[in-house]
Amino acid sequence: GAVVSQHPSWVICKSGTSVKIECRSLDFQATTMFWYRQFPKQSLMLMATSNEGSKATYEQGVEKDKFLINHASLTLSTLTVTSAHPEDSSFYICSADTLAGTLQETQYFGPGTRLLVL
Amino acid sequence: KNQVEQSPQSLIILEGKNCTLQCNYTVSPFSNLRWYKQDTGRGPVSLTIMTFSENTKSNGRYTATLDADTKQSSLHITASQLSDSASYICVVSPPSYKLIFGSGTRLLVRP
Repeated sequence: GAVVSQHPSWVICKSGTSVKIECRSLDFQATTMFWYRQFPKQSLMLMATSNEGSKATYEQGVEKDKFLINHASLTLSTLTVTSAHPEDSSFYICSADTLAGTLQETQYFGPGTRLLVL
Repeated sequence: KNQVEQSPQSLIILEGKNCTLQCNYTVSPFSNLRWYKQDTGRGPVSLTIMTFSENTKSNGRYTATLDADTKQSSLHITASQLSDSASYICVVSPPSYKLIFGSGTRLLVRP
């Protein structure tokens, strides 16, 4: 099956620093990748949709200047949390789309990155 | 408004027992309906995916059903194991690519 990896799996940083999270599709090419945020005991919330070679589309309420997304290739997307603050502490999950345009289109999720901002 | 509602919110069962999780949705039209299993601190893992024309789909001890007329889906777990303890999320995919997530059912399987 399709495998999506994330790096790092967890990160602790000081308030004001920037953190980069990588999302890779290991055995398939993904034209579209998605970034989600999940708070404890809540469901995933879509932050942005990332298409290879173009600007990401952000959901309402998500600051694009704070959460920088780069989708440089068909297998890699990065999320950079700039000037992180404690309220940015969360579980960040990416997903990559496959079989796009078909009824079997599905998203495969990465294992997540837990961010703790002190 | 497109919504996906799951019940129960949480469930505790004994190891070896069966259980059924429910999902009601108002999303229309939709491309497919999926069930995911999410272990604590991990990303969701796909269990089943059904198009609107499918009624049932199995994956080992997991069997999902879909009734497009009543807009209901269920996930049946047979002979539960301790490793089944997780959150189970019903997700509906409209043609727009944006998945609509249910809030999940937290299942705890006790020895």
